[in-house]
Amino acid sequence: DTAVSQTPKYLVTQMGNDKSIKCEQNLGHDTMYWYKQDSKKFLKIMFSYNNKELIINETVPNRFSPKSPDKAHLNLHINSLELGDSAVYFCASSQVRLTNTGELFFGEGSRLTVL
Amino acid sequence: AQKVTQAQTEISVVEKEDVTLDCVYETRDTTYYLFWYKQPPSGELVFLIRRNSFDEQNEISGRYSWNFQKSTSSFNFTITASQVVDSAVYFCALSESPSDYKLSFGAGTTVTVRA
Repeated sequence: DTAVSQTPKYLVTQMGNDKSIKCEQNLGHDTMYWYKQDSKKFLKIMFSYNNKELIINETVPNRFSPKSPDKAHLNLHINSLELGDSAVYFCASSQVRLTNTGELFFGEGSRLTVL
Repeated sequence: AQKVTQAQTEISVVEKEDVTLDCVYETRDTTYYLFWYKQPPSGELVFLIRRNSFDEQNEISGRYSWNFQKSTSSFNFTITASQVVDSAVYFCALSESPSDYKLSFGAGTTVTVRA
């Protein structure tokens, strides 16, 4: 079983559309993240949720809205997509409470292409 | 300010050569963790190693070795006798303090191993 799974793996859409990426982890971790990897491979955190509570929101446009229905799921919804949103979006999870080492377990990434 | 600096953008070597990837970090915390992740051409992020700030012992795992030096704030990674399968982007990352909820990544070093 995949530990951190995200869908879809590829997403091609037109500017102005709204799209969602879903993420689920079966590791029992209490914290989940969205990272964005741009065309230069730079990885930057977007959001972090701990037990369904938003912990980190790193100056991301409010067109991006994360939602965590429970601690095993963290979805990313993007409104009014722009060309600059094209990137690979990685979901990740970690166990912070009691045993935090900062190690992240990543999903396989979702490549979003905005035309 | 960049917390993790990987000064080498790209390194190209011939198979069986050794290659060393530099990583310099910046933190005021006394407790922190350092990581290396590998991203092969297939795109997933693969965890390689975690080091905490209190453990300066060097580590060797097969052809991989890591040199952690607090005095120079460096955590360098060496691949010995490189192989084509080592071709990937390698990221160094830092997690500050046990309560930190994110990894700060360096910009990555692309390693190309030619047959």
